[in-house]
Amino acid sequence: KAGVTQTPRYLIKTRGQQVTLSCSPISGHRSVSWYQQTPGQGLQFLFEYFSETQRNKGNFPGRFSGRQFSNSRSEMNVSTLELGDSALYLCASSTGWGYNEQFFGPGTRLTVL
Amino acid sequence: QQQVKQSPQSLIVQKGGISIINCAYENTAFDYFPWYQQFPGKGPALLIAIRPDVSEKKEGRFTISFNKSAKQFSLHIMDSQPGDSATYFCAASGNNAGNMLTFGGGTRLMVKP
Repeated sequence: KAGVTQTPRYLIKTRGQQVTLSCSPISGHRSVSWYQQTPGQGLQFLFEYFSETQRNKGNFPGRFSGRQFSNSRSEMNVSTLELGDSALYLCASSTGWGYNEQFFGPGTRLTVL
Repeated sequence: QQQVKQSPQSLIVQKGGISIINCAYENTAFDYFPWYQQFPGKGPALLIAIRPDVSEKKEGRFTISFNKSAKQFSLHIMDSQPGDSATYFCAASGNNAGNMLTFGGGTRLMVKP
């Protein structure tokens, strides 16, 4: 069974631009969560989607948004990029909502110049 | 507010030794405690997880010890191997939080041959 895939793997943007990251969960998984990983703040929860509905949201500004499609694939968008948005963005999928083992993708490395 | 505190930040162990990583949490609503292993360039991978109804869980060389009254849990890696060299994260999740994980700051483990 294929793992979680994330595209693109690397991205370079400039301040003020927007970016869209994509995540394809493991086949059959209906929950997708997004995390931001930085050296300073570690791993921080962004949001979680289950059955196309946002179920949880972390403490991030409204510039960070996401959505989930009917095939469980998910996208996250960051508008008006700031230098501090440079990070590894990780997507994790699981079978359902709550107490389920989460499988992480390799992440998208975003660099904001 | 960091709700899961992890120590040490880095750890060097000789091959065959025991690696011990500790975590403490504040939120008494947490009731699911997984440990993740992350290699450079990869996403975190679930190692082992525990719920507070047991005080210890063992899987191969990996053991979680859990102390509910002290709100602490730890990972023990027995017979540590150079291939165990990675960054380890503890995490916690609570009731009604879906799959949202709160991560500790991470421990960079190096096992010397």
